[in-house]
Amino acid sequence: EVHLVESGGGLVQPGRSLTLSCAASGFTFDDYAMHWVRQAPGKGLEWVSGVSWNSGTIAYANSVKGRFTISRDNARSSLFLHMSNLRAEDTAFYYCVKDPRYRAMLLGYFDPWGQGTLVTVSS
Amino acid sequence: QSVLTQPPSVSGARGQRVTIPCTGSRANIGAGYDVQWYQQLPGAAPRLLIYGNSNRPSGVPERFSASKSGTSASLAISGLQAEDEADYYCQSYDRTSYVFGTGTKVTVL
Repeated sequence: EVHLVESGGGLVQPGRSLTLSCAASGFTFDDYAMHWVRQAPGKGLEWVSGVSWNSGTIAYANSVKGRFTISRDNARSSLFLHMSNLRAEDTAFYYCVKDPRYRAMLLGYFDPWGQGTLVTVSS
Repeated sequence: QSVLTQPPSVSGARGQRVTIPCTGSRANIGAGYDVQWYQQLPGAAPRLLIYGNSNRPSGVPERFSASKSGTSASLAISGLQAEDEADYYCQSYDRTSYVFGTGTKVTVL
């Protein structure tokens, strides 16, 4: 069974940085694209960033481009999101999600989802 | 801001059929990109309900069905049950980004 467990969330001041991690298990991690999707409390879903199985393709939402960096360590079956220059509007639950298609690059979808980690940006 | 529009809420009695529309444009759904649907139960992470416009993953009940036409898509829930009370989101692709619908809360009366 696929498991995705996020960690690293917490309270951070505006302008500071934070790195989220996602530990994956139950599948061959280096064969699948991975993404981060966020949800502000009580709001809808927003795709944040994605990385292909071999890190050859990386994409970001316009709202985080230049501030967030996605990366993966296939040897450790882990996904990361380094967030810098954080803003109040970045406050959200951040979900680690897998694209279930084998070695697909883009135009995918999300299954399954981790339980999420809450990032709160506030002074 | 979402580029896929859904009604904020729909409701129906147990056993009834409800539909949730997802309205996009020629830049996303109308460009031929697939539509997915996700269910989010209260306090839980979303889960995939429909992929590739109309396909159900294993474990998803047959009462959930979906279709796509032109610049829109829709999710139907037949034989509405109490456990279907949740938020539902459509998802597609727009130029260079994945996009989600605004979300619809389904209430079972």
